[in-house]
Amino acid sequence: ELKVEQNPLFLSMQEGKNYTIYCNYSTTSDRLYWYRQDPGKSLESLFVLLSNGAVKQEGRLMASLDTKARLSTLHITAAVHDLSATYFCAVDSNSGYALNFGKGTSLLVTP
Amino acid sequence: DAMVIQNPRYQVTQFGKPVTLSCSQTLNHNVMYWYQQKSSQAPKLLFHYYDKDFNNEADTPDNFQSRRPNTSFCFLDIRSPGLGDAAMYLCATSLVLDNEQFFGPGTRLTVL
Repeated sequence: ELKVEQNPLFLSMQEGKNYTIYCNYSTTSDRLYWYRQDPGKSLESLFVLLSNGAVKQEGRLMASLDTKARLSTLHITAAVHDLSATYFCAVDSNSGYALNFGKGTSLLVTP
Repeated sequence: DAMVIQNPRYQVTQFGKPVTLSCSQTLNHNVMYWYQQKSSQAPKLLFHYYDKDFNNEADTPDNFQSRRPNTSFCFLDIRSPGLGDAAMYLCATSLVLDNEQFFGPGTRLTVL
């Protein structure tokens, strides 16, 4: 069974600081997704990482994928309050269609 | 704009009273998915349609059914909602099975 583990699950950080969220998964997969979810809202796609060494950046967020280590990171640079949300990573399961989600990282950025 | 639309956004039903949630898409995607997300948990796949082919996850309760009358629409039927079925229900689509999934805004179901 494919397991996806995120850490930390809860993160409170000050504006202007940097931090990294980690996503580990247990079996081989070449596709990893990062989603953002605001309270009571749906999932917004942030990044799709399709190959080993992939790195994508959007604003203050940068995601990377190391398929050999089965690890993806979501790096936050100079956090701002608007980044407060829950961030999920998800990996294609062995079935090829189902997404296995991590438990999510609840991020709170404070002044 | 191409999008995934869910109706209603909020649904209140009584224990045991059947309810239907609706999803439509203008993306012309082949695959439509239904996820259940309970509070502070990750989304959990219930089932998906690839065109007209229905695929049920092994642990999806029989209480949950789905219909896809055409490419654009997909329905989630909960035959006898229990208190434990209160959740956010998310519809998603993808062009083909191993492509990026796009999520609708969700329907929050309350069971009284």
